[in-house]
Amino acid sequence: AQKITQTQPGMFVQEKEAVTLDCTYDTSDPSYGLFWYKQPSSGEMIFLIYQGSYDQQNATEGRYSLNFQKARKSANLVISASQLGDSAMYFCAMREFLTGTASKLTFGTGTRLQVTL
Amino acid sequence: DTGVSQNPRHKITKRGQNVTFRCDPISEHNRLYWYRQTLGQGPEFLTYFQNEAQLEKSRLLSDRFSAERPKGSFSTLEIQRTEQGDSAMYLCASSPPGTVNSGANVLTFGAGSRLTVL
Repeated sequence: AQKITQTQPGMFVQEKEAVTLDCTYDTSDPSYGLFWYKQPSSGEMIFLIYQGSYDQQNATEGRYSLNFQKARKSANLVISASQLGDSAMYFCAMREFLTGTASKLTFGTGTRLQVTL
Repeated sequence: DTGVSQNPRHKITKRGQNVTFRCDPISEHNRLYWYRQTLGQGPEFLTYFQNEAQLEKSRLLSDRFSAERPKGSFSTLEIQRTEQGDSAMYLCASSPPGTVNSGANVLTFGAGSRLTVL
């Protein structure tokens, strides 16, 4: 089974609007971390936001927030007030701290976001 | 510090040739990782170093692949007898000392080395 599932291959959003990128995960590890990375066309993976499995509140970093629903095993990324520079691939990733290899990040297949005028 | 540096950025080679990629991590980071990313996919873990010790290797890392980090600073990834299936982006990342089981242990990635095998 896929550990990280991103069901939206591509998304469009108008500038200044909010957009939600979906991510569901599969793990039996009670302790894990969820990450979102942005990959522009230049290729570099840029860290955006982190959510720990025991964190009580949803993570926020500027215009990025993570809608963490533990029971549903989902960790959706919300980008508010989209900007043209947000156009990129977005990857959800997970690290399993107890049962998995703690050093290993497992990535989904990504969602390509295109911000339009 | 300018982040994680990878060289070369692009490499085109003929099948059967050997190639080597270099990664210079952030200087304070003692952990270094190699990932491979093929078109339309997310990065896949290849191997992990803590200082100079190679602590983990993925099953994806066949015998033709070897990675080193001789002095615990820069790392090299060598692919021998390249095959067309090796065509991919090879990403290097580093992370700081401290507990791995923490959101603070965030991987910082380089821009990658794109390999094309003809």
